[in-house]
Amino acid sequence: GAGVSQSPSNKVTEKGKDVELRCDPISGHTALYWYRQSLGQGLEFLIYFQGNSAPDKSGLPSDRFSAERTGGSVSTLTIQRTQQEDSAVYLCASSPRGLAETQYFGPGTRLLVL
Amino acid sequence: SQQGEEDPQALSIQEGENATMNCSYKTSINNLQWYRQNSGRGLVHLILIRSNEREKHSGRLRVTLDTSKKSSSLLITASRAADTASYFCATDDTGRRALTFGSGTRLQVQP
Repeated sequence: GAGVSQSPSNKVTEKGKDVELRCDPISGHTALYWYRQSLGQGLEFLIYFQGNSAPDKSGLPSDRFSAERTGGSVSTLTIQRTQQEDSAVYLCASSPRGLAETQYFGPGTRLLVL
Repeated sequence: SQQGEEDPQALSIQEGENATMNCSYKTSINNLQWYRQNSGRGLVHLILIRSNEREKHSGRLRVTLDTSKKSSSLLITASRAADTASYFCATDDTGRRALTFGSGTRLQVQP
């Protein structure tokens, strides 16, 4: 079946602009995660959605970052007033039920803030 | 901050040789997973080992886990040029709801 998809693949924006990144998880997966990966680094957890529970936002680096998950499926990560340090690859992953499971990753969105 | 730390940061070997990567972590875990990443894009799951397991095999992969030392190793036997990638360990830390990834080992397999 289809895997996790993300759009756009690449995004170049100017400092101060807002950006929206989209993630389509695997159908039926209740858990959805957003991570950020700076060049040559590991993954930094941003936010976690599980079913209808309140999301775990503990990884969001500032209040410029927010995310929604509509209808328990598609998720949008929004970065307001982008800064150059926001430049990174943003990765989305989903898993069937959440904890202690394999996560299935999308190809990521490479964001460059000029 | 990253809980898991891979060692070495980079590894270059010849095709046919074995590659060993190590991962250390700091907290109690439910399981530890290894992922592979090509060209800085999406990660692919390789293997999951639970905290009550000591060793696990999958094809050319062998993973060990020592919870007393809070460490794990990934062995790739008879490496191939196609194994060139970055390898990350990820822990499912008890008390958290997301995986904690290490900074990765960049493996280069020379043909």
